[in-house]
Amino acid sequence: GAVVSQHPSWVICKSGTSVKIECRSLDFQATTMFWYRQFPKQSLMLMATSNEGSKATYEQGVEKDKFLINHASLTLSTLTVTSAHPEDSSFYICSARDMAGGTDTQYFGPGTRLTVL
Amino acid sequence: GQNIDQPTEMTATEGAIVQINCTYQTSGFNGLFWYQQHAGEAPTFLSYNVLDGLEEKGRFSSFLSRSKGYSYLLLKELQMKDSASYLCAVMPASNYQLIWGAGTKLIIKP
Repeated sequence: GAVVSQHPSWVICKSGTSVKIECRSLDFQATTMFWYRQFPKQSLMLMATSNEGSKATYEQGVEKDKFLINHASLTLSTLTVTSAHPEDSSFYICSARDMAGGTDTQYFGPGTRLTVL
Repeated sequence: GQNIDQPTEMTATEGAIVQINCTYQTSGFNGLFWYQQHAGEAPTFLSYNVLDGLEEKGRFSSFLSRSKGYSYLLLKELQMKDSASYLCAVMPASNYQLIWGAGTKLIIKP
């Protein structure tokens, strides 16, 4: 149980284009999902908290107009990197909060590696 | 402020036992988590402690002392595939977001 998928696994795009990343909880419902970014050999950095049916909460320094988050259902959240630039190249990882069975645990998707040329 | 400390790097021998420590100072406490992250991959959940004591799960065990703000992850019968970063994270009572440690890179030698 508690499987989270992400799509695509990797993507290469041209500078100025937009990229959408999907995060799905496959066997549980997640009212809350999180989006992280991780640069090589660095720690996870929380970008935003995505709540089903409401606006995402962004961390300080993360541009909400650049990183659009939509959490339209209990099993799907999307992150769209708009007008991507080379400095946006990173490893983007989502996690979903599973509160079933008395636990409160975040399970991670496999991540999406974005390269902007 | 909120702070989580864990060693940057540790080295151990295949077949041995290693203990990775984590100390935390947070505004509240609603659980401590350990994750494993292999290079180039996303973290995978290992354990969750909310009460004091030891939680055992196969070769991995996790211990928590809330009064000391301390936890450790114990890995037994080390295998080469255990080479990874181990992340300690705390959920403060007031917020379901996780506060993350920087991770401990564990190197296993034959």
